Amino acid sequence: GAVVSQHPSWVICKSGTSVKIECRSLDFQATTMFWYRQFPKQSLMLMATSNEGSKATYEQGVEKDKFLINHASLTLSTLTVTSAHPEDSSFYICSAVRARDSPLHFGNGTRLTVT
Amino acid sequence: GENVEQHPSTLSVQEGDSAVIKCTYSDSASNYFPWYKQELGKRPQLIIDIRSNVGEKKDQRIAVTLNKTAKHFSLHITETQPEDSAVYFCAADTGRRALTFGSGTRLQVQP
Repeated sequence: GAVVSQHPSWVICKSGTSVKIECRSLDFQATTMFWYRQFPKQSLMLMATSNEGSKATYEQGVEKDKFLINHASLTLSTLTVTSAHPEDSSFYICSAVRARDSPLHFGNGTRLTVT
Repeated sequence: GENVEQHPSTLSVQEGDSAVIKCTYSDSASNYFPWYKQELGKRPQLIIDIRSNVGEKKDQRIAVTLNKTAKHFSLHITETQPEDSAVYFCAADTGRRALTFGSGTRLQVQP
């Protein structure tokens, strides 16, 4: 079955530094990828929609200059958390879809801890 | 935008009993309703889904019902087992594949 790989699975960084998270579709070309954030004991909240070759569409309340998304190829999208702060500590999960009516596949998630 | 509400937030049942989780959605354009099971620190796993042109779908011990008029859908788990214990999320999709999730239900199945 289709697999979406996310890297790293966990990362600890110091406040003020930037962290890049990769989301790869391993056996299909993903026209669209989505980034979600999940705080402890809470639901998944959509952060942005990433389309290959175009600018990401951010949800209301998500700072586009803080959460940089790049979807340079049909198999890779990256999320960079810039100038991370402790309140950015969360579980970040991507999902990918090949086409509009195709199944949605989730990555394994990245646990970010900012100290 | 879409708003999905989910109840209850926690549910404790005895092994072998049934469990029902309910969700409502606001956007009549939503046409796809998946249910996910998530274990701690792991990705959500799709357990069943239903499209708006279907009223009910069943897969072994799991079933989902959809009432488009009332804009609500429910997950039914029969003959619950301890391994069913997890957090369950409903979600709604208007067709652009960006899911709006419910707040989650922590299901505990007591042996």
